Amino acid sequence: ETGVTQTPRHLVMGMTNKKSLKCEQHLGHNAMYWYKQSAKKPLELMFVYSLEERVENNSVPSRFSPECPNSSHLFLHLHTLQPEDSALYLCASSPVIRGTQYFGPGTRLLVL
Amino acid sequence: GEDVEQSLFLSVREGDSSVINCTYTDSSSTYLYWYKQEPGAGLQLLTYIFSNMDMKQDQRLTVLLNKKDKHLSLRIADTQTGDSAIYFCAESLNDYKLSFGAGTTVTVRA
Repeated sequence: ETGVTQTPRHLVMGMTNKKSLKCEQHLGHNAMYWYKQSAKKPLELMFVYSLEERVENNSVPSRFSPECPNSSHLFLHLHTLQPEDSALYLCASSPVIRGTQYFGPGTRLLVL
Repeated sequence: GEDVEQSLFLSVREGDSSVINCTYTDSSSTYLYWYKQEPGAGLQLLTYIFSNMDMKQDQRLTVLLNKKDKHLSLRIADTQTGDSAIYFCAESLNDYKLSFGAGTTVTVRA
């Protein structure tokens, strides 16, 4: 789905690093989402934003910090991560908060 | 995720039909979705069905919904090697949340 882009596509970081994941949607949508996809586990919803307001924080550790400066951009700031945080992080957007979600290609994160 | 169940693997011969099954538990789901994930990629929306429909057809894809049994299926006609991927069933919950199954890995053999 080229309408939702994510950068970087791959990221390797140490446990003391700080990095950010970026998501951009070109679909004119008003809602954006962060998901975590780990091996052998279903997708986990992390955060939901609607019109730049956070509407869901799904018991995510504070070492993950989202930011939504406008309805087209969503960031996930990472600091002092753990090896178990290694996963594929997927961004999605939908026209409105209840709409069909369209996903980006994901960022494959490896924490050493 | 635990509310949506799918079989983990399906192997199908090229040219045959594939049928991927899914069961869900929330009878108030309004939409049910099928997503496809190829290796190293994100989730691609394949199709979806509104809960008041029984069937939806879109080219090679046919979705069947049995609300009484809370059963959803995806049939892919004339399966091709490019259809090899993981297929996720998802149900929309109260408002914006999607509950995903664990995914069915479809392998197409020549």
